[in-house]
Order: sequence, then structure tokens, then C-alpha cells
Amino acid sequence: EPEVTQTPSHQVTQMGQEVILRCVPISNHLYFYWYRQILGQKVEFLVSFYNNEISEKSEIFDDQFSVERPDGSNFTLKIRSTKLEDSAMYFCASSPNRGDRNTEAFFGQGTRLTVV
Amino acid sequence: AQKVTQAQTEISVVEKEDVTLDCVYETRDTTYYLFWYKQPPSGELVFLIRRNSFDEQNEISGRYSWNFQKSTSSFNFTITASQVVDSAVYFCALSEGSSNTGKLIFGQGTTLQVKP
Repeated sequence: EPEVTQTPSHQVTQMGQEVILRCVPISNHLYFYWYRQILGQKVEFLVSFYNNEISEKSEIFDDQFSVERPDGSNFTLKIRSTKLEDSAMYFCASSPNRGDRNTEAFFGQGTRLTVV
Repeated sequence: AQKVTQAQTEISVVEKEDVTLDCVYETRDTTYYLFWYKQPPSGELVFLIRRNSFDEQNEISGRYSWNFQKSTSSFNFTITASQVVDSAVYFCALSEGSSNTGKLIFGQGTTLQVKP
């Protein structure tokens, strides 16, 4: 069964460093998402990406964040200068359509980012 | 504004008990989609169900059942004859039809502990 794959599963980085989280969405999907879950809290929407551009972003997704689909298969989330409060589980998701028509968004297993 | 409320932070039951997880949502859209996801201790998000706003029929899948009531803006989830493996955090989520991205708005989650 096709699945969304995220790497690495756990990333530890020093405050102020740049980090790139990687995702391989399901191959025929068109919509891509990043969500964040701070430990013990709810899952929060960060950004959606369609047709090679950001279609929506939340207030959390400030200038420190960027997304890219560099090669038609990977979907990356970059945090330019990490802060302690960026420590969280980051989930990538993909959907063949907007995720609200005939199917749900499929989530990856998450990358746990720890900023020290 | 859109919002999902899961008032029960934690529920503890003994195996074989039935348990209901509450979910109340707010939206101005007439078309919307409701979801339940399970997050086991391993951390991934597991899709359980999607409901659209036009379909108020209750659904049963094995030991799981869902009660969707538009009149009370609720989408409650019942596990019958709970098992230890049901122990997890359960999230209710909303996607609005007016959204052109299909982003999900999650509730705070309910931690279910099933004791043997």
C-alpha cells in the first residue's frame, strides 16, 4: 500500500541551525501539507502546497519556514534558524485532491525535531 | 471561525468497557468534512473515518461507531468492548468545504487509557 515517507524519524539540532525535514508523498497525489504537533498538544496546520506553490499557510509559518518540491518527488520543510520552541513532531501529508472530496489526507509517520 | 473541541482530556476505562469520545465542532460552512484519527504511542496518525456534512447516517465499523448530529454540531466516537490496544490519543478534525486547500483543523485530542 502506498504511503507517505518522512526522513529522518528523529532530528536533533542546535539552536540557530538550519534544518531540512524531508518527505516523499504518495506518487499520484497533488496536494501536500506540513503539520506540527508540540509534545502533548494538538496537531496544527502549517502549510499546504499545490501546483508548485504555497496555497495556504498558518500564522505559525513565518519567514523562518519554507517549503519546496525540488525534484517532483520530495517535499521538504526548511527551518532557517531553529529556536527551542520549534521542537515538535512534524507531519507531512499528501492528498490526491483537496482531501475533502473523495478521500482523506495520508500522513507520514512524523519527524521528531529536538532543538537544543 | 472554525473550531474543534474535545472536552475530555483523558479517559481511563477497564478492558471490555464501552467508551465514548466527544467531539463538538464549529463552522459557518454548510459543506464540511469531519474526521477521526488515532495516534498510538508510536506517534503516527492513523485515519479512522471521514464524514461529510450531508451524510448524517451513523456508521459502524467493527467495535467502532460514530454518531454524527448536525443539530448539536457533534461527531462522537464510541468504542465498544474496549481493548488495551485501543490505548492512544484520539483526534477529531474538521475540513471546511470553502477551504481551497483541504487543511485539517484538529481538536486537542483525548487520551484514552484502557487498563487490563
